[in-house]
Amino acid sequence: DQQVKQNSPSLSVQEGRISILNCDYTNSMFDYFLWYKKYPAEGPTFLISISSIKDKNEDGRFTVFLNKSAKHLSLHIVPSQPGDSAVYFCAATLSGSGGSNYKLTFGKGTLLTVNP
Amino acid sequence: ETGVTQSPTHLIKTRGQQVTLRCSSQSGHNTVSWYQQALGQGPQFIFQYYREEENGRGNFPPRFSGLQFPNYSSELNVNALELDDSALYLCASSLEWVQFHFGPGTRLTVL
Repeated sequence: DQQVKQNSPSLSVQEGRISILNCDYTNSMFDYFLWYKKYPAEGPTFLISISSIKDKNEDGRFTVFLNKSAKHLSLHIVPSQPGDSAVYFCAATLSGSGGSNYKLTFGKGTLLTVNP
Repeated sequence: ETGVTQSPTHLIKTRGQQVTLRCSSQSGHNTVSWYQQALGQGPQFIFQYYREEENGRGNFPPRFSGLQFPNYSSELNVNALELDDSALYLCASSLEWVQFHFGPGTRLTVL
């Protein structure tokens, strides 16, 4: 049962253009969402997050949008750079689980390729 | 600030053997989680340790076990290895919040 889904295994964009990565979730209890970037032979690196009380969070070139009614979030990268080429994982959690039990549920990832 | 480190980087075992993977948390982090990432999949939560106690477990059998030490470093032990255990094993540490910092992982191959 895939609770977090990234339906596009790959995405290719031109340098300078916008990259939009999408993520859907099925568990309405999730209240905190994160995006991680992963290069080969490295662990995932935290990129940006959003709480369910917000619908947008911005950090430099990266913006995450959350549509709770559609159970959908997206990551926008503007402008895209060749160094952004990596696998992007969407993750979700229940932040109010108590203690430090913050299990992350990940999607399968989307491979972004930014062409020069 | 030292990041999360894991050892070994690569490991080859045969079916039925046992393996121990190690993780050193980022300085000051008291929570460690372990994830399994099979090829083409996202990381799957195995379990989490908080101040040396198991604090949550995913859908993994009991042959997956762990420890967290007083310095907050951690071990993942897998007994009776199966071919499907071949994966990248990721350790992540945090200080009581969700912004986990991941290590580079240990690539385990079971033959």
